[in-house]
Amino acid sequence: NAGVMQNPRHLVRRRGQEARLRCSPMKGHSHVYWYRQLPEEGLKFMVYLQKENIIDESGMPKERFSAEFPKEGPSILRIQQVVRGDSAAYFCASSPDRGLWNTIYFGEGSWLTVV
Amino acid sequence: GIQVEQSPPDLILQEGANSTLRCNFSDSVNNLQWFHQNPWGQLINLFYIPSGTKQNGRLSATTVATERYSLLYISSSQTTDSGVYFCAVAPQTGANNLFFGTGTRLTVIP
Repeated sequence: NAGVMQNPRHLVRRRGQEARLRCSPMKGHSHVYWYRQLPEEGLKFMVYLQKENIIDESGMPKERFSAEFPKEGPSILRIQQVVRGDSAAYFCASSPDRGLWNTIYFGEGSWLTVV
Repeated sequence: GIQVEQSPPDLILQEGANSTLRCNFSDSVNNLQWFHQNPWGQLINLFYIPSGTKQNGRLSATTVATERYSLLYISSSQTTDSGVYFCAVAPQTGANNLFFGTGTRLTVIP
């Protein structure tokens, strides 16, 4: 029973390139959350998705960031034209339903470094 | 959004010592969780504790929801306890996400 799988674990991008981070939720989980952790800070919510739907993107920067969770395949967080300030750890979490916090599991994170 | 404050921000302990970490939150919650982020960055869910007291080995947690705080107790600390401890809450109404505190960085020295 695999947990939440994120890849890549580490990604280096030059300024202006695109970064794509993938998250496969736990089996049976159809709700995915993305969080960002800047250096020396706590995790900040970015976006909450169900299959094929964005439910809440109130934490997403207005430009360059997008997320999707297609019917088939992993959820993808896409960052276009990366800047140094995008360097952070990006965590994905999944749950079987909304609000079931005792069943939420986090992946091991994807560390993005922009050079 | 809801404010989550943790104290102390940093803590250095000798192996074998006990410690108490605190989490204060600014509004009513229907969820509170404690996480441990180890030095490799992995987030481990320690407790789901919206109220009451739970124990798991050397760790225990207590949440007093009416007074809006939670405590995490670590007894007989070990070097493997090092890392950052986060408290995360979900507000009682309409929450789509967890709000994390800024964490307590614990260093246990042998």
